[in-house]
Amino acid sequence: SYVVTQPPSVSVAPGATAKITCGGDNIATKSVHWYSQKPGQAPVLVIYYDTDRPSEIPDRFSGSNSGDTATLTINNVEAGDEADYYCQVWDASSDQYVFGAGTQVTVL
Amino acid sequence: EVQLVESGGGLVQPGGSLRLSCAVSGLTVSSYYMSWVRRAPGKGLEWVSVIYSDGRTYYADSVKGRFTISRHNSKNTLYLQMNSVRPEDSAMYYCASSVVVTANFDYWGQGTLVTVSS
Repeated sequence: SYVVTQPPSVSVAPGATAKITCGGDNIATKSVHWYSQKPGQAPVLVIYYDTDRPSEIPDRFSGSNSGDTATLTINNVEAGDEADYYCQVWDASSDQYVFGAGTQVTVL
Repeated sequence: EVQLVESGGGLVQPGGSLRLSCAVSGLTVSSYYMSWVRRAPGKGLEWVSVIYSDGRTYYADSVKGRFTISRHNSKNTLYLQMNSVRPEDSAMYYCASSVVVTANFDYWGQGTLVTVSS
């Protein structure tokens, strides 16, 4: 089945930019969705269909998808952005949804 | 307003069974792709199972043959029957909806906790 790979952790200073990657074979042919999850809470959608952002998500969050890598970018990082971030795709060859292992974002 | 409310979690012994429920309001479960997603302690999100709007069902390899997803249309409720459970099935279980199969999960419940231990 399809595999997506994320870095385990990213550390970033307040006000800086965080980039979280999601690697997969020719992932650009798939729709990639991104979620954040804080302790004790359900996941929250932050980016869908590679680049779209729910209205309640700040425009500091953006996404891209090209080649073998999709990327979630968080500009002007704030302390409240600390969370685990997951990418997700649907694998048509196996009729299974796939999540990345998650990236823990720490704001220094 | 859409609400998904899970129930049925608890402590179960290895090899035992448990049935999770997800009561849904604000959307019709039979018109959506409804999934179960879990997060084990110290681990990431893992998709478990989906039931399509046409009734087809699919499972993660880790639960295939042990778990069964179903829905009750008139009760607008999603279920997950968990049999032959293992300690590694211990997790918070979330139900989630998707409007099309390739789309994101747009609504999530708050989860129900399953602990498999003797």
